[in-house]
Amino acid sequence: RKEVEQDPGPFNVPEGATVAFNCTYSNSASQSFFWYRQDCRKEPKLLMSVYSSGNEDGRFTAQLNRASQYISLLIRDSKLSDSATYLCVVNIDDSSYKLIFGSGTRLLVRP
Amino acid sequence: DTAVSQTPKYLVTQMGNDKSIKCEQNLGHDTMYWYKQDSKKFLKIMFSYNNKELIINETVPNRFSPKSPDKAHLNLHINSLELGDSAVYFCASSQLADRTDTQYFGPGTRLTVL
Repeated sequence: RKEVEQDPGPFNVPEGATVAFNCTYSNSASQSFFWYRQDCRKEPKLLMSVYSSGNEDGRFTAQLNRASQYISLLIRDSKLSDSATYLCVVNIDDSSYKLIFGSGTRLLVRP
Repeated sequence: DTAVSQTPKYLVTQMGNDKSIKCEQNLGHDTMYWYKQDSKKFLKIMFSYNNKELIINETVPNRFSPKSPDKAHLNLHINSLELGDSAVYFCASSQLADRTDTQYFGPGTRLTVL
């Protein structure tokens, strides 16, 4: 079983739509959780951290369910510029800060 | 004023050659990383250095040797290149001492082995 699993997509949605991505992780001792965004042929960039109580940043909402080992990202009012690959990322070892990346979920927002 | 820079951006070489990729960060971070992203887009940690000391060393062939001359630089030397080494290699940095979460990535080096 992969340490971090995501649906690869692509998710093809119209502008203005709401879209949700899910991610599961296998290591119950995982410490911290993130969503990164990667544009085509570019480097990954942090989108947001995911906190236990859930957190929101503008149109983006992240949720964590430790019991089910599940993380989600909700994007409201999708923009064309949201088209990218969204990487679910888990830190399984706080002392060395080793990040495990999912293979990403591709989002295409069409006009 | 690029935060994390890598050179070269593209590298095309023959099997069996030895090559190096350089990475520099000007963020004042204490920790640097090398990642490999293969054709299936999996981004996987290879090495990490904290204050020039190796702290993560994943199962990587010993043909790969990282070198950190100082906190701001982490280079990657690859001996006897193989076809399977073709990938995008990303350098990243973070401030581990501050327990901050963000890793900043360089633009990547696209390595093609022929």
